[in-house]
Amino acid sequence: NAGVTQTPKFRILKIGQSMTLQCTQDMNHNYMYWYRQDPGMGLKLIYYSVGAGITDKGEVPNGYNVSRSTTEDFPLRLELAAPSQTSVYFCASSYNRANTEAFFGQGTRLTVV
Amino acid sequence: QQQVKQSPQSLIVQKGGISIINCAYENTAFDYFPWYQQFPGKGPALLIAIRPDVSEKKEGRFTISFNKSAKQFSLHIMDSQPGDSATYFCAAQVGGGADGLTFGKGTHLIIQP
Repeated sequence: NAGVTQTPKFRILKIGQSMTLQCTQDMNHNYMYWYRQDPGMGLKLIYYSVGAGITDKGEVPNGYNVSRSTTEDFPLRLELAAPSQTSVYFCASSYNRANTEAFFGQGTRLTVV
Repeated sequence: QQQVKQSPQSLIVQKGGISIINCAYENTAFDYFPWYQQFPGKGPALLIAIRPDVSEKKEGRFTISFNKSAKQFSLHIMDSQPGDSATYFCAAQVGGGADGLTFGKGTHLIIQP
């Protein structure tokens, strides 16, 4: 049972480059989330989705975009990488209703230089 | 504006002792309060969760105490073991909402053998 899978695990980007962080889950969860984790700051919600074709902004969406064409996949796009986007990014999913356990991927460590 | 305040930032406890981590929240619409455990290089994983209709929930050595009137909740780890050394995050979620978790900043717990 793979759960939530994120790729890549590590990436170094130059300022201004773009990339897509991949996230896929095999639990048939409708709810999916992207968080970023900065040292000493906890996790902050970037974007979330309640189902295919539906996405919405979280607390810190600036500089990011998402899409949700299937139930399984929820990619996060960085268009013009900036040093402030250096962080660890976590994708998560949860069951078809709120207030239930969120399952997290192992994270993508991104450095923008 | 930080909606979930967590303390302490770091904590050192002797093996066999009790580890206590505290959180306070501001948004009275929160009605789901999970604790997540994170080991280095891994994503957070649900440890234990509580809803405000109960004042305490116990699972093995882990107990959540919840004080609705004070808007506070805490995690107690009894008989703390070196394997409990990790970062712990409290979180909260609005009832019925699918818009993700609001996390505290985390507590780095070290259990000394």
